[in-house]
Amino acid sequence: DAKTTQPNSMESNEEEPVHLPCNHSTISGTDYIHWYRQLPSQGPEYVIHGLTSNVNNRMASLAIAEDRKSSTLILHRATLRDAAVYYCILRDVIQGAQKLVFGQGTRLTINP
Amino acid sequence: GAVVSQHPSRVICKSGTSVKIECRSLDFQATTMFWYRQFPKQSLMLMATSNEGSKATYEQGVEKDKFLINHASLTLSTLTVTSAHPEDSSFYICSARGVGGNQPQHFGDGTRLSIL
Repeated sequence: DAKTTQPNSMESNEEEPVHLPCNHSTISGTDYIHWYRQLPSQGPEYVIHGLTSNVNNRMASLAIAEDRKSSTLILHRATLRDAAVYYCILRDVIQGAQKLVFGQGTRLTINP
Repeated sequence: GAVVSQHPSRVICKSGTSVKIECRSLDFQATTMFWYRQFPKQSLMLMATSNEGSKATYEQGVEKDKFLINHASLTLSTLTVTSAHPEDSSFYICSARGVGGNQPQHFGDGTRLSIL
């Protein structure tokens, strides 16, 4: 499975935008970029995913670099409930079981 | 949105007991289900992948006779931890994905297993 690299932790303030980076320099052409987040004592929650174009949904935006070797998850206006571990994961939709393999993620702290 | 229900949410039992955890997809048909384990302050570790009606595929280092997985229907998968010991204490999380090449995976809320 292609590997991603994320900062271990980030901190931001409530009601400010947050940009969570992810590097995936070995991404293949059939890898989708998925973002999940995990709140304490809960299972992961799907946030967003994309292939080449930027994506927006009610939770966040995903900005994908033109060469696809990096991406950024954007929370437009962070709330305290956005404090979680955010995982950037590549999933190949062609090969194998298309399983999600989690790295260490970024622990996001939101200050009131 | 898609919902995955996992039961029970917490189990405390004696060493040597076998424990069964259920995972249900409530509003979609899950052709593929996944079981993860998470130790404190660590990331999720994939244990096995199961497709409805066929045998589960286990990740390297996961004992298939220890962790029995059954995926008998498109909405239900079970994980049985046989003869559990204290080192099996962990947070077990199931995940399900629907039909289609690029469906997101949806996760249950996990089962915290404590073996005394």
